[in-house]
Amino acid sequence: GAVVSQHPSRVICKSGTSVKIECRSLDFQATTMFWYRQFPKKSLMLMATSNEGSKATYEQGVEKDKFLINHASLTLSTLTVTSAHPEDSSFYICSAAEGGAYGYTFGSGTRLTVV
Amino acid sequence: GENVEQHPSTLSVQEGDSAVIKCTYSDSASNYFPWYKQELGKRPQLIIDIRSNVGEKKDQRIAVTLNKTAKHFSLHITETQPEDSAVYFCAASANFGNEKLTFGTGTRLTIIP
Repeated sequence: GAVVSQHPSRVICKSGTSVKIECRSLDFQATTMFWYRQFPKKSLMLMATSNEGSKATYEQGVEKDKFLINHASLTLSTLTVTSAHPEDSSFYICSAAEGGAYGYTFGSGTRLTVV
Repeated sequence: GENVEQHPSTLSVQEGDSAVIKCTYSDSASNYFPWYKQELGKRPQLIIDIRSNVGEKKDQRIAVTLNKTAKHFSLHITETQPEDSAVYFCAASANFGNEKLTFGTGTRLTIIP
């Protein structure tokens, strides 16, 4: 079946620094990558949608200059949290889609803690 | 855009009893409705899904029903077991595998032994 590898699984960073999260589709080509954020005991909230080779589409209220998304290839998408602050601490999870039978394949998530 | 509401937010049932979780959606263009089970710190796990061309789907102890006219769909778990305890999310999409999933607010299900 379809597998998406997400790294790192956990990261602690200092306030003001940047963190990059990677999602790789291992056995299929992800034409679309969805990036979600999930706060404790809350639902998954879509941050942005990216298609390979084009700019990401951000949801209302999500700062595109703070959450940089790159989807340069059909197997790799990255989310960079720039100038992280404690309020950015959350569970970030990607979901890859290839428009076919696989549907939506979730990465394992990244627990970001900003101190 | 799509709005998905989910009820109840918490649900406790005795082991062996049935559990029902309900969701409503707002966008009539939505045609794909998955249900996910999420354990703490883990990715959502697809447990069952339904498309708009059918009204019911069953997989062993789990079933989903869909009422397109009323724009609501429900998850039914029968003969509940302690390992069913988790948070469950419904979701909706207008185009399977292409459009975004909009998630419900989640239900914390606790099975009482």
